[in-house]
Order: sequence, then structure tokens, then C-alpha cells
Amino acid sequence: GIQVEQSPPDLILQEGANSTLRCNFSDSVNNLQWFHQNPWGQLINLFYIPSGTKQNGRLSATTVATERYSLLYISSSQTTDSGVYFCATGGGADGLTFGKGTHLIIQP
Amino acid sequence: DTEVTQTPKHLVMGMTNKKSLKCEQHMGHRAMYWYKQKAKKPPELMFVYSYEKLSINESVPSRFSPECPNSSLLNLHLHALQPEDSALYLCASSHSGGGLGEQFFGPGTRLTVL
Repeated sequence: GIQVEQSPPDLILQEGANSTLRCNFSDSVNNLQWFHQNPWGQLINLFYIPSGTKQNGRLSATTVATERYSLLYISSSQTTDSGVYFCATGGGADGLTFGKGTHLIIQP
Repeated sequence: DTEVTQTPKHLVMGMTNKKSLKCEQHMGHRAMYWYKQKAKKPPELMFVYSYEKLSINESVPSRFSPECPNSSLLNLHLHALQPEDSALYLCASSHSGGGLGEQFFGPGTRLTVL
């Protein structure tokens, strides 16, 4: 099956900093999602982005399907951005395949 | 509305108990999923229902039994679980099971098996 790798595994930043999270996948994909998992376990949809670029407030994402990677940008970080960020691809009968996640800590 | 609901939020059960987890969505989605997430790990797929038909994940022990009573509801029946089954159980749905389309997750049921 498809392999999904995320980097970095851990990231500690000061409030107000910017960050870039990376997701590499081993094969071509028809869908790609970014999630934020909060401390209570809720997976919050950030982007559905099989290709191209999207922006939502301080967050933006870019997927370059031909080069098999996606990037999540977080600008002007806030403490509420802390948590685990997952990218995932696949779907259908095989469900989503998740990367191992980036654990982000934003310090005040 | 992009809401998937799950009950209960927390569940503690003994190894001889029988319990059920429930999931509901009213987005008209025709694919529904159960995932299991252990601490500090990503979610892993357990079962998929597409148009109320089950796609079986063969690595799931038979002590987990899914049920899809209709296109909006998904249950996970639990029986004779082991302590290592303690985890966060997540339900998700998507428009169809054809491999495309965004999946939406419920808040999860945090299960502890004593």
C-alpha cells in the first residue's frame, strides 16, 4: 500500500512564529487531507487538497501531486495551534492511510 | 452541516462485558468507517461500509463486530475485549466509498478495558 511520511516529527515554536510541515507519499494520489488533532482527540479537517494551493486564514496548504508531496504552512502561530498534525491519503474500501504526524507545541 | 456524532464519549468495560459504540451522520454520506487509534500513533482502519455493505478488514479480531442499520448509523459491538484494546475509537464518513472525497471524523469514544 501507499506509504505516507511526515516531517518533522516534533516541532516546538514560540508564539508568533511561522512553520512548514511536510508530507511525502510513495505513489500518486487522488485525495490528500490535512487534519489537526486537538488534545481531546478530535480530528479537525484543515484541508482537502489533492492538488494545488488553498488558504484558510493563517493556514495554507500546497500539494504537488507530480512530485508526491504536500506542505502545510502555519503563520503567526498561536498556543491553540498546538497538537498533532496528520496528513492522510487513500479512501474508499482501504480507508485513509495516515502519516505518523507532526507534534507541534506552541509556547507562549 | 459536517458533523459526525459518537456516543459514548468515554467507556470503561470489563473483559466479560458486552457494549456498543454508536456513530451517526446526517450529511447523506454513503461511506462510513471505524478507525482505532492507540496513544501517540496515527488512526488505523478497522472497517468500511459503502452503501451499507461491509468491506472486512481481516486483521480485526472477531470480538469487534460492526453493524450498519441504515445509511446514517454505524455501530461497533464489543465483546470479550482485552486490555490492549483500550484506545480511541473514531468514526468517519465520506460522500461515497469510491476512493475520492473528504472524510469527516467524529469526536471519538475513549475506551478503557479493565
